[in-house]
Order: sequence, then structure tokens, then C-alpha cells
Amino acid sequence: DIQLTQSPSFLSASVGDRVTITCRASLDTYSDLAWYQQQPGKAPKLLIYAVSTLQSGVPSRFSGSGSGTEFTLTINSLQPEDFATYFCLQVHSYPLTFGGGTKVEIK
Amino acid sequence: EVQLVESGGGLIQPGGSLRLSCAASGFAVSVSYMSWVRQAPGKGLEWVSLLYSGGIKHYKDSVKGRFTISRDGVGNTLYLQMNDLRADDTAVYYCVRNQDFPYYIDYWGRGTLVTVSS
Repeated sequence: DIQLTQSPSFLSASVGDRVTITCRASLDTYSDLAWYQQQPGKAPKLLIYAVSTLQSGVPSRFSGSGSGTEFTLTINSLQPEDFATYFCLQVHSYPLTFGGGTKVEIK
Repeated sequence: EVQLVESGGGLIQPGGSLRLSCAASGFAVSVSYMSWVRQAPGKGLEWVSLLYSGGIKHYKDSVKGRFTISRDGVGNTLYLQMNDLRADDTAVYYCVRNQDFPYYIDYWGRGTLVTVSS
């Protein structure tokens, strides 16, 4: 199984900050990695797929990068609605696996 | 608009059975890739099973032989039949739609809670 390790698990930031979240895979996932946002009480929302492709309707302040086993999600100029939990997903091989999540809180 | 609404969760004793349903709207389940994903209390997300549009099924090892994913094209509903339930199956179960290969999840339901306890 491909293990995904996210860091940090918790992040405290202010509106306007630039935030970076990392997802490290135990094996090469090639470009088969996505990022999601989950707000309390809501269904998760797809932000980015194929490492860096922005899902339709997602603000351009979200971006993804990386390759192989190390990937990052960057949020430029954090907005109030961005305080949420973020997680990565690899779909390169079965079982599909998720990162443990990063909770972004207001400082 | 794509919507996924799960139902069927509840409290069940170890060894019991439960069938989860996921009513879909805004697209056809019969020609889509669909999965179940779960999240145990205080734990991370865990993929459980995926049903291809062509009918192929994949399962997480720990549920093979106990869980069965299926769909009803007429009712546009996805199911998860869960047998021989264990305490570690306790989780919120989410119905999700996968994109065509490489199977990214693009829509999620709100989830239904399954609690396995005596």
C-alpha cells in the first residue's frame, strides 16, 4: 500500500498569509495525486487533481506542485473561508489512500 | 447539480449486517465510477470499495468477502452490503463519485454513521 504522510497536522495562520502543506508518499505516485478541502459539517471538495490541475470553480490562490513522492498544496493570501481541513489522495494504485489531513486554524 | 445522499447507517451488533444506500442525482450511476470511503472516529479517511462503470469491483483487503458494492441503475442508487460487521468497521461512510481513470473523487456525500457495538 502507498502511505501518504501529511505535514503539518495542524497549522495556525492569519488572513492574508501564504500557507504550504506537504504530502509525502511511501512510493512513487507519478502524477496521480489530488487535494481536497473539508469544512466542518460539509462534504469534502476537490481542489486540485493530477498534482497541479485546478478543479473548475476553485480560486486561483490554490495551487499544487511536486512529483514522485513529494507534493505540496499552497494557498496564497489565505481567506476566511479557507480555514478548514485539507487532505491528499493518491489514485495511482489500490488501495486508494489518503493523507492524514492538515487542519488550518485561525491564529 | 450532482448530489449524493447516503442512508442506512445505525447501531448494529458485532457479526450483524447492514446495507447502506446512496441516492444519486445529476448524473447516472450506471455509467459512472463510484466508491465508498469511510472515516472512523478521530481517524483519517479510508477507501473501502470502487465499482467501475463496466462492473469491475475493487475492495480494501480488510473488507473483502464481507462487503459487497452494487448499484441499481433504475433507482440511480449505489449500495454497500456489509456483513459480519466488526467494531473496527465503526465509521462514517461516504458515498463518492470517481472520475474516469485515474479515478479521482470529484463529488462526496455527507456520510452516514455506522456504529458496531454490543
